[in-house]
Amino acid sequence: GAVVSQHPSRVICKSGTSVKIECRSLDFQATTMFWYRQFPKQSLMLMATSNEGSKATYEQGVEKDKFLINHASLTLSTLTVTSAHPEDSSFYICSARLTGGYEQYFGPGTRLTVT
Amino acid sequence: KQEVTQIPAALSVPEGENLVLNCSFTDSAIYNLQWFRQDPGKGLTSLLLIQSSQREQTSGRLNASLDKSSGRSTLYIAASQPGDSATYLCAVRSSGGSYIPTFGRGTSLIVHP
Repeated sequence: GAVVSQHPSRVICKSGTSVKIECRSLDFQATTMFWYRQFPKQSLMLMATSNEGSKATYEQGVEKDKFLINHASLTLSTLTVTSAHPEDSSFYICSARLTGGYEQYFGPGTRLTVT
Repeated sequence: KQEVTQIPAALSVPEGENLVLNCSFTDSAIYNLQWFRQDPGKGLTSLLLIQSSQREQTSGRLNASLDKSSGRSTLYIAASQPGDSATYLCAVRSSGGSYIPTFGRGTSLIVHP
């Protein structure tokens, strides 16, 4: 149980385009989901906390207009990287918190490459 | 603000060795500490979770200890195998907050045959 999926697993896009990444909790409901970014040999850095039915809470330094987060249901959150640039190339990982709990379950990650 | 440091950053050992990976954190007011494994280009797999009231947790060849007062945790891997090659991440959840974990940069482990 407690499986989180991400789609796509890899995506290559051209500079200036937008790309959407989906995070789904497959067998549980998640009021809260989290989006992390990880650069090579670096730690996971929390970008934003996504709450179902309300606006996401962004960490300091993360541009909310560039990284659009939508958490429309208890099992789905999406991260849209708008007007992508090569420096946005990274590994994006989501996690989902079981409603009423505190444990987070991590997705497999999405490798974004912006050319 | 909680800061998590992992030492060493990288480790390469021959198969069969016993290993110790270190994690230190600056704020001892923690809720729990968790060790994860991350294979290249993959997500995180939870290995062990230690609550703040616990001293250690064991799973198979893995043993994690916690010394909250000194801000340290160790992950002990017995009889290492090539399949143990991965990056090991330490994550700390501070108490009194939102339980969002703070991650270390990880230790990249290579076990060669």
